[in-house]
Amino acid sequence: GAVVSQHPSRVICKSGTSVKIECRSLDFQATTMFWYRQFPKKSLMLMATSNEGSKATYEQGVEKDKFLINHASLTLSTLTVTSAHPEDSSFYICSARDNGRFNEKLFFGSGTQLSVL
Amino acid sequence: GEDVEQSLFLSVREGDSSVINCTYTDSSSTYLYWYKQEPGAGLQLLTYIFSNMDMKQDQRLTVLLNKKDKHLSLRIADTQTGDSAIYFCAESTGNTGKLIFGQGTTLQVKP
Repeated sequence: GAVVSQHPSRVICKSGTSVKIECRSLDFQATTMFWYRQFPKKSLMLMATSNEGSKATYEQGVEKDKFLINHASLTLSTLTVTSAHPEDSSFYICSARDNGRFNEKLFFGSGTQLSVL
Repeated sequence: GEDVEQSLFLSVREGDSSVINCTYTDSSSTYLYWYKQEPGAGLQLLTYIFSNMDMKQDQRLTVLLNKKDKHLSLRIADTQTGDSAIYFCAESTGNTGKLIFGQGTTLQVKP
């Protein structure tokens, strides 16, 4: 099956620093990728839709200057949490949609646990 | 707006069947999904069903869809301790690929 790789799996950083999370589709091309945020024991909240070659589409209430998304190729999207603060600590998960035959399926990365001290 | 609801917790004994239920509000849903999440991990796609189907079976998993009542269920036959996890149902509408998730049901399997 299709594989989505997310890196890093865990990151601890100091308040005020920026953190970059990568999401790669390993065996398929993904014009569209999605970034979700999950709080402990809670559901997944869609943050933004990442579109290859164009600007990301952010959900209501998500600060685009805080959460920078870049989707420069058909296999890579990055989420940068800028000037991270403790309230940004969360589990971030990306997903990718296969352009090809698995178009109705979304494949998820393994997630990144961000802890901001 | 779109909303997906699940019960939060289910406990079963090993070997029994588990049934996890989900309701949704958007009648234009095209696909409905079941994902499994183990602690600290991402989401694993278990199965999905197109909205014009009533049932889909895949080994120990059976998905039932009642489109009239907007009710989706996942039945796991012969539940094992390795099935203990959080199960999310999700719906997609249109062709955007965006998913709306339920809150997740924690399945506890007792030996």
